[in-house]
Amino acid sequence: RKEVEQDPGPFNVPEGATVAFNCTYSNSASQSFFWYRQDCRKEPKLLMSVYSSGNEDGRFTAQLNRASQYISLLIRDSKLSDSATYLCVVSPGGYNKLIFGAGTRLAVHP
Amino acid sequence: GAGVSQSPRYKVAKRGQDVALRCDPISGHVSLFWYQQALGQGPEFLTYFQNEAQLDKSGLPSDRFFAERPEGSVSTLKIQRTQQEDSAVYLCASSLRDRADGYTFGSGTRLTVV
Repeated sequence: RKEVEQDPGPFNVPEGATVAFNCTYSNSASQSFFWYRQDCRKEPKLLMSVYSSGNEDGRFTAQLNRASQYISLLIRDSKLSDSATYLCVVSPGGYNKLIFGAGTRLAVHP
Repeated sequence: GAGVSQSPRYKVAKRGQDVALRCDPISGHVSLFWYQQALGQGPEFLTYFQNEAQLDKSGLPSDRFFAERPEGSVSTLKIQRTQQEDSAVYLCASSLRDRADGYTFGSGTRLTVV
């Protein structure tokens, strides 16, 4: 079983739609949680950190449920430019290596 | 430089050839990581340096993989006797200190073994 599991998608949604991605992780001792975005043939870039209290950044809302070991990302009012692969990432702490899920592909169409 | 620089961007190697991939981190960044990203997968951890010390090499898939950072700045990932399953994008990331939200990734080296 992979340490971080995500639905690979693809999610095909029209502009303006709301879309939600989910992720589960196996290591209950994980310390930090993130969503990264990766465009085709580009490097991953940090989208946002995820906190137990939930956090929002514009159209993006991330939530963490430590008891269920579950992380979510909600994108409201999808834009064409949101089309990318979204990577769920956890870190065990210490020197903070990152453990990535396989990613969920999102395609937003006009 | 302003970001993490990796070279070459693309490398085609014949099976059995040795390759060397270079990473030039952001100046002053103490932590340096190498990741391997196979097609359709997320990046997977290979190894970690703090300055010149290689503190974790648990992700290196075999003894054909070797990494070094002799002066605590530029790092080289070497793969000996390349095999087809080594085909992947090799990503380098650096961080000023051990903050998981402080990573900057390079653009990667796409290795194709034929």
